[in-house]
This record gives sequence, C-alpha cells and structure tokens, in this order.
Amino acid sequence: DAGITQSPRHKVTETGTPVTLRCHQTENHRYMYWYRQDPGHGLRLIHYSYGVKDTDKGEVSDGYSVSRSKTEDFLLTLESATSSQTSVYFCAIRGVGLRYEQYFGPGTRLTVT
Amino acid sequence: DQQVKQNSPSLSVQEGRISILNCDYTNSMFDYFLWYKKYPAEGPTFLISISSIKDKNEDGRFTVFLNKSAKHLSLHIVPSQPGDSAVYFCAASTNTGNQFYFGTGTSLTVIP
Repeated sequence: DAGITQSPRHKVTETGTPVTLRCHQTENHRYMYWYRQDPGHGLRLIHYSYGVKDTDKGEVSDGYSVSRSKTEDFLLTLESATSSQTSVYFCAIRGVGLRYEQYFGPGTRLTVT
Repeated sequence: DQQVKQNSPSLSVQEGRISILNCDYTNSMFDYFLWYKKYPAEGPTFLISISSIKDKNEDGRFTVFLNKSAKHLSLHIVPSQPGDSAVYFCAASTNTGNQFYFGTGTSLTVIP
C-alpha cells in the first residue's frame, strides 16, 4: 500500500470557521492532489501540486486554498467553511513517469453545520 | 460540464458471469484512461489503465477496451466474484497527466 495518510479522518465544524485538512505521504512522489466526492458528482479535482510550492487549480477550486512547503505534506484549507463544502475529501499522490495511476488516501469526512 | 460520464449508476451480476461497466468521454484530447475501484469508507484503488495508442489492455480477470472513435471505454470483469462488489470509477487525463477527470461511478453488486 502507498504510504499516504490524511488527518483528521472526521471533522464537524460550523459555517464560517476555517478548516485545514492534511495529506502526508512517505513515497516522495512529486504530484499530490485534493479531490472531493459527492453523490452524483463522482470525484472532482480541487487543487493539485506538481512540486514543492508549485500548485494549480482544479475544476472546483473556489473557496479552497492549498499549500505545499515540503514534498511529503499537502494542506487543503477552507478559509470560511460553508455547508456546500460538506463532503468526503480524498488526497492522492502520483509519481513521475508514463504510468498515470494515482494512489489515494483513506479520506476525510467533513461536515459543515 | 461532465467530461467523463458513467450513465449506469448501478449494475447487478450473478457470480461467475461477466460484468461490463461503461464509460463515455467528450474531450478528444484525453490520452490516458484508468479504472478505479472503491469500497465504502476507503479511498479508491487503481485497477487498470489504457493508453490511447491501444484498444485493449488485460490484467487477469479485468480487461479494458477503448473505442476512440466512439469516445467510449468499458471494463470487463470475468468471472465476476462477490469481492468485486464495489463502486467503479473511470477517469481520464490528457498527456500532461496533471489533471484527471472522473466519472460519477457505477455501483457493482455481484450476487453469490
């Protein structure tokens, strides 16, 4: 199994509060991704990183920011959580090369009340 | 706008029979396609992939077929086993491999 963990695994927070989710990898992979999974939408990319301090937006980036100061950590921040951000969040990693498969973390279930 | 579509939310198959999961895409720039399997309360796990230069890739019981002209791919599982019961996502990427677009998933139930 790829060494990828997410913390916290579950979180309940109130509307308007800031929230940070952490993704940690031990594989030294270059690429890291944040997705959200919602019924009827599958997995949607929020942000991704292609190196330390190198990040870019995905298809649903509004309301989210990310940071990557070390290869192993990729943080997702909701500056002011809204109920529409209630979701399951998955982090994924990918190595460099022709093989494009990603390895996913176990997910974080976030509830915004 | 969904660039990768899985139009069947669910599928039930008898154990030992073939399971066929379908996926359609709209972006002709997609160059690489993947299937993931997901159990409840776990992250997706990679299953099989195919490059656009091929039309078939096989790995044990799993075969993926790609029809570029129809912008359609399918995953065949033969024979189906109860442990295959899960949600299956197809995904696609351009040749940069930076962004991946996922379908909405198909929930497969294999009946013993």
